[in-house]
Amino acid sequence: QVQLQESGPGLVKPSGTLSLTCAVSGGSISSSNWWSWVRQPPGKGLEWIGEIYHSGSTNYNPSLKSRVTISVDKSKNQFSLKLSSVTAADTAVYYCARDLLDITIFGVVLVFDIWGQGTMVTVSS
Amino acid sequence: QSVLTQPPSASGTPGQRVTISCSGSSSNIGSNTVNWYQQLPGTAPKLLIYSNNQRPSGVPDRFSGSKSGTSASLAISGLQSEDEADYYCAAWDDSLNGFAVFGGGTQLTVL
Repeated sequence: QVQLQESGPGLVKPSGTLSLTCAVSGGSISSSNWWSWVRQPPGKGLEWIGEIYHSGSTNYNPSLKSRVTISVDKSKNQFSLKLSSVTAADTAVYYCARDLLDITIFGVVLVFDIWGQGTMVTVSS
Repeated sequence: QSVLTQPPSASGTPGQRVTISCSGSSSNIGSNTVNWYQQLPGTAPKLLIYSNNQRPSGVPDRFSGSKSGTSASLAISGLQSEDEADYYCAAWDDSLNGFAVFGGGTQLTVL
């Protein structure tokens, strides 16, 4: 079955850029799914960062949009997150997730059905 | 402050039925479907309920979801010790070109 694995530096300096990659195994990133990033600061709740489709289409959280770039590399079956101008408030566990996004007669259906294990990123000098 | 509002904590004794509420607005829960996620300590969230009241394969039927207007609820019957976890509701919000929103999470304690 599909598995996701995050990777990237665990420590980023303030004002720098956080860069993470999510490798997709057991399935194709070009399937009919979107691919999301979600983060969770220590002891706090979940926050959606954004998502990408294999075509390159993206949706971002308005609160982070000015600092976020999500990209996809179909040749490597992976997608990536870049978050610029980071501060201590960006310290969190970052998860990648597969999401099902569909428009139905019941409204928008958005389901995060498969998650990576998460990777802790600390912003500190 | 989360877009969807959940009580920060809930509790119950083994065998009891507990419910967790999730309050939103017309642009999210009022217009779109709701999902629930369970997060055990130190692990990634797991899909528990999708499309308001559907259970993925493998989720016990002790877990059920419902939606009415701009609110949703998760019910857990026959509470078990392994249900002790954080629970999050989530939905799509149609405002500002659309984005996903989560509730602040409810920590469930089995007494």
